[in-house]
Amino acid sequence: AQTVTQSQPEMSVQEAETVTLSCTYDTSESDYYLFWYKQPPSRQMILVIRQEAYKQQNATENRFSVNFQKAAKSFSLKISDSQLGDAAMYFCAYRVIIQGAQKLVFGQGTRLTINP
Amino acid sequence: KAGVTQTPRYLIKTRGQQVTLSCSPISGHRSVSWYQQTPGQGLQFLFEYFSETQRNKGNFPGRFSGRQFSNSRSEMNVSTLELGDSALYLCASSRLTGTSNSGNTIYFGEGSWLTVV
Repeated sequence: AQTVTQSQPEMSVQEAETVTLSCTYDTSESDYYLFWYKQPPSRQMILVIRQEAYKQQNATENRFSVNFQKAAKSFSLKISDSQLGDAAMYFCAYRVIIQGAQKLVFGQGTRLTINP
Repeated sequence: KAGVTQTPRYLIKTRGQQVTLSCSPISGHRSVSWYQQTPGQGLQFLFEYFSETQRNKGNFPGRFSGRQFSNSRSEMNVSTLELGDSALYLCASSRLTGTSNSGNTIYFGEGSWLTVV
């Protein structure tokens, strides 16, 4: 069964510094999608970044980038120049395909605090 | 382009009642999925609908059901509410379903907060 593990329940970082959130997953598939979502206090799940497993190049979206290590089944999120608005719960998710249908399997989340 | 819209945003129900939540996906999206989020269990998949057909269902009792209309809008229903059904219910939409493994980003709505008393 596919599982996603976020080993850091909480992280904190000083404003303007860089922080890395960890995520590992378990799968036997060779082609899949991975996502990082951000959930601020409003509770809306906001897409931060996605990575297709067949792409060797790490995805980047402005201050957000991933370190995708396919062999190690690791998918960490790096946030550069942290801002107060980055404070939120961050969820790593793996897209599972089952008989033509899809679902997301989520990790337990990492609560990120930004210290001014 | 409007995002995923969920209604109502907040509701309070009594044990034993039933509730219906609504989700309008992003225009052009045909896949709609529902997730339950609780502090204890985290985010759990409920079911996915595509082209008015339930494609996949999570490990939830039969009290949880849903449907999708021809315009891709979806509703989920929970009957005989229990205290443990109190949760944030998130709807997500995407253009495709699991038949394609390319370019299929999944977007979420703001959620419906259900409190059962």
